[in-house]
Amino acid sequence: GNSVTQMEGPVTLSEEAFLTINCTYTATGYPSLFWYVQYPGEGLQLLLKATKADDKGSNKGFEATYRKETTSFHLEKGSVQVSDSAVYFCALRRGNQGGKLIFGQGTELSVKP
Amino acid sequence: NAGVTQTPKFQVLKTGQSMTLQCAQDMNHNSMYWYRQDPGMGLRLIYYSASEGTTDKGEVPNGYNVSRLNKREFSLRLESAAPSQTSVYFCASSEDRGRADTQYFGPGTRLTVL
Repeated sequence: GNSVTQMEGPVTLSEEAFLTINCTYTATGYPSLFWYVQYPGEGLQLLLKATKADDKGSNKGFEATYRKETTSFHLEKGSVQVSDSAVYFCALRRGNQGGKLIFGQGTELSVKP
Repeated sequence: NAGVTQTPKFQVLKTGQSMTLQCAQDMNHNSMYWYRQDPGMGLRLIYYSASEGTTDKGEVPNGYNVSRLNKREFSLRLESAAPSQTSVYFCASSEDRGRADTQYFGPGTRLTVL
């Protein structure tokens, strides 16, 4: 079946450090891939997305590239800030299953000054 | 625009009690969703509605019912609450216009069942 696996958290970094959060997926066909972010006490909001192989999604300094050969969509940021502290969710959407999203378990990021 | 709103924000129930979680969106979206979020398990889809008047089961529908009252509102009902339903519940909506469709989430309802 379809599934998303993320690296375990929590991830703790110092401000200005480089961030990578790994995400791999299992799906037939060609899913769309998403990263959502959840700040403390809030709902999820879209961070970035990619709809086909080799697409790069980017937003707020975050990037992720859709790699079909490795079934991955790793999230990266060159220099994290304290305000990036949040839980990050990788998700996929199968094209023939309406709008339903399948989420990974989430990775908590804590950035220290 | 308020986006997606949910009520209540917090609720404590006793086992066997019933309650309805309310959700409304003002973005004229066709699709609406109910998820539950549990530690270490991400979000899991309970029910969704692709359009007014239609609903379908998601991954974890047991113990829940839903009503798509109109295009704006999508409610989730627990008929007889159980401790296993202690969770944070999120409502979401989307236009559902294809592969790049974005879901917009409400702030969540934190439910505790004693």
